[in-house]
Amino acid sequence: RKEVEQDPGPFNVPEGATVAFNCTYSNSASQSFFWYRQDCRKEPKLLMSVYSSGNEDGRFTAQLNRASQYISLLIRDSKLSDSATYLCVVDDYKLSFGAGTTVTVRA
Amino acid sequence: GAGVSQSPSNKVTEKGKDVELRCDPISGHTALYWYRQSLGQGLEFLIYFQGNSAPDKSGLPSDRFSAERTGGSVSTLTIQRTQQEDSAVYLCASSFIGGHYGYTFGSGTRLTVV
Repeated sequence: RKEVEQDPGPFNVPEGATVAFNCTYSNSASQSFFWYRQDCRKEPKLLMSVYSSGNEDGRFTAQLNRASQYISLLIRDSKLSDSATYLCVVDDYKLSFGAGTTVTVRA
Repeated sequence: GAGVSQSPSNKVTEKGKDVELRCDPISGHTALYWYRQSLGQGLEFLIYFQGNSAPDKSGLPSDRFSAERTGGSVSTLTIQRTQQEDSAVYLCASSFIGGHYGYTFGSGTRLTVV
């Protein structure tokens, strides 16, 4: 079983839509989680950390479900600029990356 | 500098040659990671440094790969006798200890072995 697994998508949504996707992790002792975004042929950039209580940053909401060992990312009122690959990251001192979920927002 | 700096940004080398990739982390970041990403693939962990020591070298694909870090700052990743399957983008990331504020990536070195 992979350490971090994501639905690869692609999610193709119109502007203004809400899109959500999950990521599962295998190590029940994992404590730190992040969402990164990666644009085509660019390096990953930190989008947000994921806290136990869930957290929001503008149109982005991240949730952690320890019992089921998954984290989620929800994007509200999606913009064209949200088109990217979203990477789920579990930090057990060694960052383990999911393969990414591709989101395409169309006009 | 303000960010993680990697050099060269692009490297084309002939099969069998050695290459050296450099990473300058953000000043004060004690943790440094090397990853590689093949076209259309996810990030593959290579090695992790805490200060100058490498507690985890488990991701290095073969003994042709080595890395070092000196002065708790600059790191170099060396690939000896390069093979075509080594072609990828090599990414470096750094963070403060514990990584609580996330990790910052450099823009990578795109290595092409011909």
